[in-house]
Amino acid sequence: EVQLVESGGGLVKPGGSLRLSCAASGFTFSSAWMSWVRQAPGKGLEWVGRIKSKTDGGTTDYAAPVKGRFTISRDDSKSTLSLQINSLKTEDTAVYYCTRIRSSSWFDYWGQGALVTVSS
Amino acid sequence: EIVLTQSPGTLSLSPGERATLSCRASQSVSSSYLAWYQQKPGQAPRLLIYGASSRATGIPDRFSGSGSGTEFTLTISRLEPEDFAVYYCQQYGSSQYTFGQGTKLEIK
Repeated sequence: EVQLVESGGGLVKPGGSLRLSCAASGFTFSSAWMSWVRQAPGKGLEWVGRIKSKTDGGTTDYAAPVKGRFTISRDDSKSTLSLQINSLKTEDTAVYYCTRIRSSSWFDYWGQGALVTVSS
Repeated sequence: EIVLTQSPGTLSLSPGERATLSCRASQSVSSSYLAWYQQKPGQAPRLLIYGASSRATGIPDRFSGSGSGTEFTLTISRLEPEDFAVYYCQQYGSSQYTFGQGTKLEIK
């Protein structure tokens, strides 16, 4: 059974930093493209960024609103995906979902989400 | 960036009725790269349809997807009580992913 379990959410002051983690199991993590998707309270889904498998280059891509502040990384030895968020803004307040990407293009498995609240 | 516009914003129907949800793209999208998701309150989204028309594992056959180019449709043939939720379309292109703003399907 595929499982994605996020951790590391919490309350952070504007300008602060936070690191989210996603523990993956039930599939060959090293072969998977992975992504983060967020959802602000009462709002829709917003793609944050993606990391390819190392076989496919291990490169990252980000949505424009987060580029330069967010960094996605992976540890295939621990089947763990990470999201480093710097220079947090109030508009970064959201539930952050860890997702697996299938066939480069759709998100077939989602974690339960980690809430990040940015407030002074 | 490709913008996806979903309509209507809210759809009010009764169980047993047919639901038709629309997703329009600002430029052509490969059918291979168009997906639909269902999200219920307090839950993570669930993949329903991928490649514009293929049902994901475990999705009932009352859900179907169609379309090409810039116009895509999700159809629920006969609404069950558990189908009332928010639905999102999503596309992939040029190393970017975008979602539509969602359609809320509510009980009339």
